Amino acid sequence: GQQLNQSPQSMFIQEGEDVSMNCTSSSIFNTWLWYKQDPGEGPVLLIALYKAGELTSNGRLTAQFGITRKDSFLNISASIPSDVGIYFCAGLLYTGGFKTIFGAGTRLFVKA
Amino acid sequence: SAVISQKPSRDICQRGTSLTIQCQVDSQVTMMFWYRQQPGQSLTLIATANQGSEATYESGFVIDKFPISRPNLTFSTLTVSNMSPEDSSIYLCSVDSRTRADTQYFGPGTRLTVL
Repeated sequence: GQQLNQSPQSMFIQEGEDVSMNCTSSSIFNTWLWYKQDPGEGPVLLIALYKAGELTSNGRLTAQFGITRKDSFLNISASIPSDVGIYFCAGLLYTGGFKTIFGAGTRLFVKA
Repeated sequence: SAVISQKPSRDICQRGTSLTIQCQVDSQVTMMFWYRQQPGQSLTLIATANQGSEATYESGFVIDKFPISRPNLTFSTLTVSNMSPEDSSIYLCSVDSRTRADTQYFGPGTRLTVL
């Protein structure tokens, strides 16, 4: 079945540094979604990407839908302590209805 | 985006018992989903809650263990039946966007611990 490879698994960075994480697959997706999950909370949608090549920003976050439709990346610029959490990518594939595949998550730790 | 609430937010249960989790949305939505997130893991789809018909379960999940109701377009319940410690997880309700079927929002989750 479809699988997403999300990397890195975890990142330890200093406050103020930029961060990059990505998801790749052998499958083609129609939509890419990026979520952040804080401890004890549900995932919160950060950015949604609907077209190949699309580059979208949300404050300090920027995400891109890969031109091959098989990958996506999320960048966080000038990280701050509240960026700590788990970031998940999700690829959606239309097969009569939308099927959602989640990456394993990237755990971000920010040192002040 | 839709405002999604779940009850209870957390519970500690004894093995062999059942727990029903409620999901309420502030507006009508087409699709409602139930996910499980085991400790330190990603999200796994349990089933799609269909309004007016039986839920559609993913491979590895069965109706006897996870009965689901969806009486209307704003409410759904998931029951975790005959619980064992392996059922300890976060259970998440999710809905699609009012404007796009390919965008999902999540509730705050129900943290379940089975002793």
